Amino acid sequence: QSVLTQPPSASGTPGQRVAISCSGRSSNIGSNTVNWYQHLPGTAPKLLIYSNNQRPSGVPDRFSGSKSGTSASLAISGLRSEDEADYYCVVWDDSLNGWVFGGGTKLTVL
Amino acid sequence: QVQLQESGPGLVKPSETLSLTCTVSGGSISTYYWSWIRQPPGKGLESIGYIHFRLNANYNPSLKSRVTISVDTSKNQFSLRLSSVTAADTAVYYCARGDGYIPFDFWGQGTLVTVSS
Repeated sequence: QSVLTQPPSASGTPGQRVAISCSGRSSNIGSNTVNWYQHLPGTAPKLLIYSNNQRPSGVPDRFSGSKSGTSASLAISGLRSEDEADYYCVVWDDSLNGWVFGGGTKLTVL
Repeated sequence: QVQLQESGPGLVKPSETLSLTCTVSGGSISTYYWSWIRQPPGKGLESIGYIHFRLNANYNPSLKSRVTISVDTSKNQFSLRLSSVTAADTAVYYCARGDGYIPFDFWGQGTLVTVSS
């Protein structure tokens, strides 16, 4: 059971907007910034969003992040087939003194 | 460009010790934080622990009794040892770099370790 809670699956059609949630507690999301990773099978995970809403160079602005209280959200607009992947939130946990992962959300593009 | 490469046996017997090494190129291991992460088949990603050469290593509480992460600055490598392995430790193991704010910005390609007799 993961410290951070994500829905196991999400789906959308091309062009749609999809949001993936990440719920935590005061010791992690409530007091630290949220990061998001995209993981395609057979590849290394890729950093999508850091510090709640910052995109690394090369990440399209279709990807955006937000945080409120002890929850965070990753939004993907203009959904494309290549966005089909697993998405993970990652946050520092002050109680565990380490990085914790959400359980992951499998995004399907219908 | 920083590159990380995991190496080590792909098959380990139950009750033995899993040992992996991550070789870092394109940057010094004497800065940043260096992590191990794993993904069991059909499951999500799990942080195993991290190390900074100036600090003690920090481990996932669920694995702490069996894990050791160490760094060798002379070889620009860091290593993972996981003792008393069982089939539940079968996973793709990744090494990764972090800067303390971004948890993992560069990753190795991952290596599958199977625990089986």
